[in-house]
Amino acid sequence: QKEVEQNSGPLSVPEGAIASLNCTYSDRGSQSFFWYRQYSGKSPELIMSIYSNGDKEDGRFTAQLNKASQYVSLLIRDSQPSDSATYLCAVNRGRETSGSRLTFGEGTQLTVNP
Amino acid sequence: DGGITQSPKYLFRKEGQNVTLSCEQNLNHDAMYWYRQDPGQGLRLIYYSQIVNDFQKGDIAEGYSVSREKKESFPLTVTSAQKNPTAFYLCASGTGSINEQYFGPGTRLTVT
Repeated sequence: QKEVEQNSGPLSVPEGAIASLNCTYSDRGSQSFFWYRQYSGKSPELIMSIYSNGDKEDGRFTAQLNKASQYVSLLIRDSQPSDSATYLCAVNRGRETSGSRLTFGEGTQLTVNP
Repeated sequence: DGGITQSPKYLFRKEGQNVTLSCEQNLNHDAMYWYRQDPGQGLRLIYYSQIVNDFQKGDIAEGYSVSREKKESFPLTVTSAQKNPTAFYLCASGTGSINEQYFGPGTRLTVT
């Protein structure tokens, strides 16, 4: 089992729809969770961080965390063609298990069609 | 401007040559990281450093070396021992225990 798994893509949604990106993790001791957006040929950009159970909203983005189910998701409302990118889920497993390091999923490629 | 810089953006080398990738940050972050990304794949951790003069191996350290003599700088050397060095190399820096990490623009290395 991979430490961080993301739903296999590619994911395609029409403009204006809600895009849902999912991520599961294996280590129950994980403490911090991040979503990065990576445009083709560019470096990852941090777009959301979440640390406690529940929802966190920032503009059109909502991150959802459920530690009991070891599940974190990213919702993008009113999707725009400019949201087309690969989205990476990253998990901080905590100092006790891995020191100060993140484990990344392989990413989900999202395409928003005009 | 605060940020992370990597140079050069593109680098071409012949097989058997060592090459050093630069990474500098002015965010006053204690921790710095080097990742490698291959086409269609996620990020794999090469080395990381949480404090000056100290660093730890990541998951794929073989064939690479680093130094951390200054807080702002964390250069990566790709040695001739690295079997498949062609990749996109990303440097990041991070803060505290929650470990938010911010990435530089990357260096695309091609070895022929």
